[in-house]
Amino acid sequence: AQSVSQHNHHVILSEAASLELGCNYSYGGTVNLFWYVQYPGQHLQLLLKYFSGDPLVKGIKGFEAEFIKSKFSFNLRKPSVQWSDTAEYFCAVEAGGATNKLIFGTGTLLAVQP
Amino acid sequence: GAVVSQHPSWVICKSGTSVKIECRSLDFQATTMFWYRQFPKQSLMLMATSNEGSKATYEQGVEKDKFLINHASLTLSTLTVTSAHPEDSSFYICSARDHSGTGELFFGEGSRLTVL
Repeated sequence: AQSVSQHNHHVILSEAASLELGCNYSYGGTVNLFWYVQYPGQHLQLLLKYFSGDPLVKGIKGFEAEFIKSKFSFNLRKPSVQWSDTAEYFCAVEAGGATNKLIFGTGTLLAVQP
Repeated sequence: GAVVSQHPSWVICKSGTSVKIECRSLDFQATTMFWYRQFPKQSLMLMATSNEGSKATYEQGVEKDKFLINHASLTLSTLTVTSAHPEDSSFYICSARDHSGTGELFFGEGSRLTVL
């Protein structure tokens, strides 16, 4: 079965620090990859997605992620975090074909200290 | 962007009663909606895929008689937790894909169920 691993459960950073959140998945075929963010008290929002093409994708609010097929990874990065980035971040994978099913990682809670 | 709305956002019920949660796509039609369950400090677990006009497809380990799903129209799917027990207390989230637009999956705000 497909699975998604997020290695960092809690991350605490100071403002202006760089961020990298790890995401690995297990599935040998074609995948669509997503990062979602959930701000306190709000619903999930899409940060960015990868379907095909350039493996370095840019999303909203200065976030980017790089798909490395050989490593089955899709790590999220931001060069300089802000206090407003405090949220929970979920990596998700949609396995190949028309499954339309997202499998989520366990989430990473990011706290940015002002 | 497209909006998915859930109601109620929070419900408290007594053990043994049934609770219905609604999921609506407000400005697009959704032939498929998804129901997730999120335990505290854990990820979203897909429970079932709701298909308009047909039976829902349940994930392994999810009791279909316990979690009844109905998708009677292109904008509404309902999840009914039957004979709820305290272990059913959780955060239930629905999502729907806007096929006519970018194909992006939009999520509802979630519904917190507390069973006493």
